[in-house]
Amino acid sequence: EAEVAQSPRYKITEKSQAVAFWCDPISGHATLYWYRQILGQGPELLVQFQDESVVDDSQLPKDRFSAERLKGVDSTLKIQPAELGDSAMYLCASWGAGTSGYNEQFFGPGTRLTVL
Amino acid sequence: AQSVTQLGSHVSVSEGALVLLRCNYSSSVPPYLFWYVQYPNQGLQLLLKYTSAATLVKGINGFEAEFKKSETSFHLTKPSAHMSDAAEYFCAVSDSAGGTSYGKLTFGQGTILTVHP
Repeated sequence: EAEVAQSPRYKITEKSQAVAFWCDPISGHATLYWYRQILGQGPELLVQFQDESVVDDSQLPKDRFSAERLKGVDSTLKIQPAELGDSAMYLCASWGAGTSGYNEQFFGPGTRLTVL
Repeated sequence: AQSVTQLGSHVSVSEGALVLLRCNYSSSVPPYLFWYVQYPNQGLQLLLKYTSAATLVKGINGFEAEFKKSETSFHLTKPSAHMSDAAEYFCAVSDSAGGTSYGKLTFGQGTILTVHP
């Protein structure tokens, strides 16, 4: 079964450095989501794309976070500069038909970010 | 606005015992409800979802959940726990089935299920 790919799986960086995460959704999925999951909490939506357009970035800290999906396929989430509070799992998901025949969000394995 | 409350951040059961994970939701529109499972350092996997069809929803791995509008609940159950069920479980609510109408998932805080031999 096709999967959502993310890289890197783990990233350790120092405060004030720039970091970037990459996501490749399941082929054909027009809707892509980035979530942040702080340890011990549920995922929180950061940004949602429909093709190359942002449809919801209300929870994205725009002073330091940016996201793009230039060709409407893969996507990059960037943090510059990173802060200690950014340590979290960053999850990417895409929406489309599953094996059940119903549409659902498919999640990638995530990128675990540690900011020192 | 939508919200989800999962009662109990940790649940511990013996292998073979009933699993009951509680979820209550708040939504101003008819909700779509989901349960996801997450294993350590992995993404989320959909267990089941309610989309206004049958109120009793069956999912993968023997899990099921019942939508009770009067109680605003969507509790997850499994008759007999297996060691492989040990994971973190998230309840989520959306105002759509997802993807269109900017379907956004709002997650609960999660419940860690421990299964003892």
